[in-house]
Amino acid sequence: EAAVTQSPRNKVTVTGGNVTLSCRQTNSHNYMYWYRQDTGHGLRLIHYSYGAGNLQIGDVPDGYKATRTTQEDFFLLLELASPSQTSLYFCASSDGTGGGSAETLYFGSGTRLTVL
Amino acid sequence: GDSVTQTEGLVTLTEGLPVMLNCTYQTIYSNPFLFWYVQHLNESPRLLLKSFTDNKRTEHQGFHATLHKSSSSFHLQKSSAQLSDSALYYCALSPISGGNYKPTFGKGTSLVVHP
Repeated sequence: EAAVTQSPRNKVTVTGGNVTLSCRQTNSHNYMYWYRQDTGHGLRLIHYSYGAGNLQIGDVPDGYKATRTTQEDFFLLLELASPSQTSLYFCASSDGTGGGSAETLYFGSGTRLTVL
Repeated sequence: GDSVTQTEGLVTLTEGLPVMLNCTYQTIYSNPFLFWYVQHLNESPRLLLKSFTDNKRTEHQGFHATLHKSSSSFHLQKSSAQLSDSALYYCALSPISGGNYKPTFGKGTSLVVHP
């Protein structure tokens, strides 16, 4: 079973604050993803990456930056947090080499972010 | 772009009755992977089952689904609901050609099973 670890589990900040969410996967997966989950909207893709130094824009990227520093580590940055970014954030990874189980997403345990 | 449409919102069932959660999709790719993920309360989503093969039934943990490319559907079924099936269910699509690994999720269906 793929291991994806997120930190912190919970974060509270104020409007305008600077927040970094961290994600590490230890399965040498190529793809990593950041999602936010909100009632009525499901999982929405913010950014994703297919390798160190690569970044792809997702479906709801506004107000977020991301950086993939290594194969294992993917960070989500909120430089001027707003109350609308209060959400549950999930990181996920997948092998992405094609076929079989490669496309299955493995999710971390989530980070609950509250912006006051 | 790709899209996935699920049974919307909340589905409430009595224990023992059959479960059917609908999922249809649109994609430009001819051979997508279709997935059902399940998320129990205070947990993260995890894979329930997946399929790539047209008209082949896939089963896991009492649930089953068949990918029908002719109707672009991948409905999730179970013959008899259990209380422990109460969860949020996501249908998702992933293309496997063209180097595109951006998955597309539906908005999720919340299933509540009561005694």
